[in-house]
Amino acid sequence: DTEVTQTPKHLVMGMTNKKSLKCEQHMGHRAMYWYKQKAKKPPELMFVYSYEKLSINESVPSRFSPECPNSSLLNLHLHALQPEDSALYLCASSQDRLLSGNTIYFGEGSWLTVV
Amino acid sequence: QKEVEQNSGPLSVPEGAIASLNCTYSDRGSQSFFWYRQYSGKSPELIMFIYSNGDKEDGRFTAQLNKASQYVSLLIRDSQPSDSATYLCAVMDTGRRALTFGSGTRLQVQP
Repeated sequence: DTEVTQTPKHLVMGMTNKKSLKCEQHMGHRAMYWYKQKAKKPPELMFVYSYEKLSINESVPSRFSPECPNSSLLNLHLHALQPEDSALYLCASSQDRLLSGNTIYFGEGSWLTVV
Repeated sequence: QKEVEQNSGPLSVPEGAIASLNCTYSDRGSQSFFWYRQYSGKSPELIMFIYSNGDKEDGRFTAQLNKASQYVSLLIRDSQPSDSATYLCAVMDTGRRALTFGSGTRLQVQP
């Protein structure tokens, strides 16, 4: 059973607010990802954690701050966002990103609206 | 910039027909290929993955991979209205070891 749980499902925040998106998986996966998806566009990679260490930052603005407290949890801290940051934020996990045949599973996403 | 290309559609097929979705990729070293289905307002759902040249079947779905032509496809047999969704082709980037997605093909199955 593959399950990646994201909270909250919906978030509305002002441009001066600080909020966080949370992601949890209990499949023993050691790689976790944040993707951003705008309407009618494909998901775009933001960050990758591998064995709780940040492996990839796709030149994401510093108003997005990822955190991986342990192997099951992944957070995305949000501060001073802009309306154009409104999107679906997808968390994903996989067994080990360096394995051949690594398969990535997505959570249901968090819809973020910045007002 | 490594690219994954898909026809955006919409691809319209009648109920019961075979839907054929196509994808090309630029990274010749890619080894892993995925098809995700995404309903409007929902997250991507993995439906197939393929690593070897040839065909891989799972129920009504068949993935086809031709690494020499850098081409991967998805066939959906006996298409149902519930198959109407956007289908995202994704390729494992050999450098970043993360997925690069195509822009997706919107499939409409007409009852």
